[in-house]
Amino acid sequence: GQQLNQSPQSMFIQEGEDVSMNCTSSSIFNTWLWYKQDPGEGPVLLIALYKAGELTSNGRLTAQFGITRKDSFLNISASIPSDVGIYFCAGQLLGSGTYKYIFGTGTRLKVLA
Amino acid sequence: SQTIHQWPATLVQPVGSPLSLECTVEGTSNPNLYWYRQAAGRGLQLLFYSVGIGQISSEVPQNLSASRPQDRQFILSSKKLLLSDSGFYLCAWSHSSYEQYFGPGTRLTVT
Repeated sequence: GQQLNQSPQSMFIQEGEDVSMNCTSSSIFNTWLWYKQDPGEGPVLLIALYKAGELTSNGRLTAQFGITRKDSFLNISASIPSDVGIYFCAGQLLGSGTYKYIFGTGTRLKVLA
Repeated sequence: SQTIHQWPATLVQPVGSPLSLECTVEGTSNPNLYWYRQAAGRGLQLLFYSVGIGQISSEVPQNLSASRPQDRQFILSSKKLLLSDSGFYLCAWSHSSYEQYFGPGTRLTVT
């Protein structure tokens, strides 16, 4: 199935560092969602974005809906060990007429204490 | 508040056996419902989605099927499992707000 390009694929960072990841597509989206998944569990919704240029925060997490509507970014500030996990972006295609979501390939984050 | 349940949590089944996974949502009405499969270390593959009772859209041709007998119940089935059906199955729901929420998942191992 169709997937979004998500990068980086994985990253190792030191505790306290900031983290950035992004999703890009050649298609235009009307909604962007960011999830975190812990091993053996379902993804948990972190942030939802609905408007081009929108910048939304949830604690140490900040996500932005790209101006072109073709990309989105997630930043984590001052990472802590519990931030470890897989982060997924997901989006709904503009004008798709369906309720389907396309998912990114995931960014695996490991935080070194 | 809304909650989503999946069962069983884990399942080990032999090749050729039938499958039935269940998903139920509480606290909302007329949700859009989804089944995804996630292979180990991989992303999410949309299998089926439903916008109403008896309405099923299939995304990937395979030996799986889905049914929605009630507004908040979504079932994933197979008549004969294949080894390649092993994976982590996730049910999700959404509403007009476009936010999508996932259940805890079912780990299926086909032996």
